[in-house]
Amino acid sequence: SQKIEQNSEALNIQEGKTATLTCNYTNYSPAYLQWYRQDPGRGPVFLLLIRENEKEKRKERLKVTFDTTLKQSLFHITASQPADSATYLCAPFGSQGNLIFGKGTKLSVKP
Amino acid sequence: DAGITQSPRYKITETGRQVTLMCHQTWSHSYMFWYRQDLGHGLRLIYYSAAADITDKGEVPDGYVVSRSKTENFPLTLESATRSQTSVYFCASSEGQYSNQPQHFGDGTRLSIL
Repeated sequence: SQKIEQNSEALNIQEGKTATLTCNYTNYSPAYLQWYRQDPGRGPVFLLLIRENEKEKRKERLKVTFDTTLKQSLFHITASQPADSATYLCAPFGSQGNLIFGKGTKLSVKP
Repeated sequence: DAGITQSPRYKITETGRQVTLMCHQTWSHSYMFWYRQDLGHGLRLIYYSAAADITDKGEVPDGYVVSRSKTENFPLTLESATRSQTSVYFCASSEGQYSNQPQHFGDGTRLSIL
C-alpha cells in the first residue's frame, strides 16, 4: 500500500537557521506533491506544489525539492523565524487520484 | 467574505445520534472534500465530490453519508454516531483537477461522541 513518512514528528531549531523537513513515500510514484502548513486549531494552508519533472521549487524563504529516484521530498525554510513555528504536512498525489497526507512535522523555531 | 466555512466549530453528541456537519464555500470551486484528522494519523479522506450531484468514497467512508445538491454546500452526515468517529473534521475545496490544484481548507469541526 502507498505509504507516506515524514521523518520527524518534531523539529526544534534556532531562529535564523535553515529548517529542513523530510517526506518519504513508498510503493508508488506521485506525479505531484504538495506541502501545507497547519497552525493549532486551524485548517491546513497550501504552501507549494512541485511536479515530478521539477527538481526544485522556490517561494520566498521556502524551497521544495522532489527526488523521484530517492522517493523523497525535502522542504526547507531559510532564515527561520518564530512565526514559522507550525506543523508542516507533506501530501503526494496518490494513485487513487487524491492527495495522501503525511502525519506532519511540528516545527518549533526558538528566538 | 470569500472562503470556506464549517459549522459548527465544536459539537458534542451521544452514540447512536445522527449529526450533520456543514461546509460552505464561496469560490464556486468544483471539487470539495471531507477529511478527518486523528492523532497518529495524517488527514484521511472520507468523501469527495467533483461537482453537484457527483460524490465518491475516499479512504474511510464507512459510517458517513454526503450529498451535494448545490455547488457551494457539501454536508457530511454521521447517521448513527460511534465513539470511533470522535475526531476533527475538515472540509476543503479546490478549483480544478484535484491532483495538481491546491486545496483550501476550513478551520474544522471538533466532534466528540460520548
